[in-house]
Amino acid sequence: GAGVSQSPSNKVTEKGKDVELRCDPISGHTALYWYRQRLGQGLEFLIYFQGNSAPDKSGLPSDRFSAERTGESVSTLTIQRTQQEDSAVYLCASSFPTSGGGELFFGEGSRLTVL
Amino acid sequence: SQKIEQNSEALNIQEGKTATLTCNYTNYSPAYLQWYRQDPGRGPVFLLLIRENEKEKRKERLKVTFDTTLKQSLFHITASQPADSATYLCALGSYIPTFGRGTSLIVHP
Repeated sequence: GAGVSQSPSNKVTEKGKDVELRCDPISGHTALYWYRQRLGQGLEFLIYFQGNSAPDKSGLPSDRFSAERTGESVSTLTIQRTQQEDSAVYLCASSFPTSGGGELFFGEGSRLTVL
Repeated sequence: SQKIEQNSEALNIQEGKTATLTCNYTNYSPAYLQWYRQDPGRGPVFLLLIRENEKEKRKERLKVTFDTTLKQSLFHITASQPADSATYLCALGSYIPTFGRGTSLIVHP
């Protein structure tokens, strides 16, 4: 596709349920990032993939959060046993491999509401 | 710990004036600084990159300065237009960008 695609765009779930959020990066972008944005807040880094490996998982807030990437393409962010504080917009971005400073291309985000 | 500060108060200016937004940081020595624009309900869109060895970068009506001594970047939009109204985020990094909270700009006709 022309840009980074995320699905679902909106997800409402009950506390304690598991959710999966999907990201389709731009073709050819080997770097993929997940960020979280709470209402009125900045972007909080969650995890970074280079190819299919995740050299930096330092931002994952708890062991309820996990992410994987297959085929150097699609990535899935899974949140188990969701809590109300998980409510946020989850943003995915991709970029060309660079030594740093490369432009990040963001999707429109997946808005998660945990009731 | 690393800290990135952007003015949390919205900046209101009249159309045609120059908007200046500030990004300050502490406990950090970034290799680069980026500015992004974010509209409500949308993902951020990249605007400009400036590296640590650069003082100033320009792109059309946009200008960014980077002072590593003051640990500050200034982002200018000249001849501002109502369509420039959005939230502007600065991001610093040596590899993975760390974002500030952003400053809302409102340009009045």
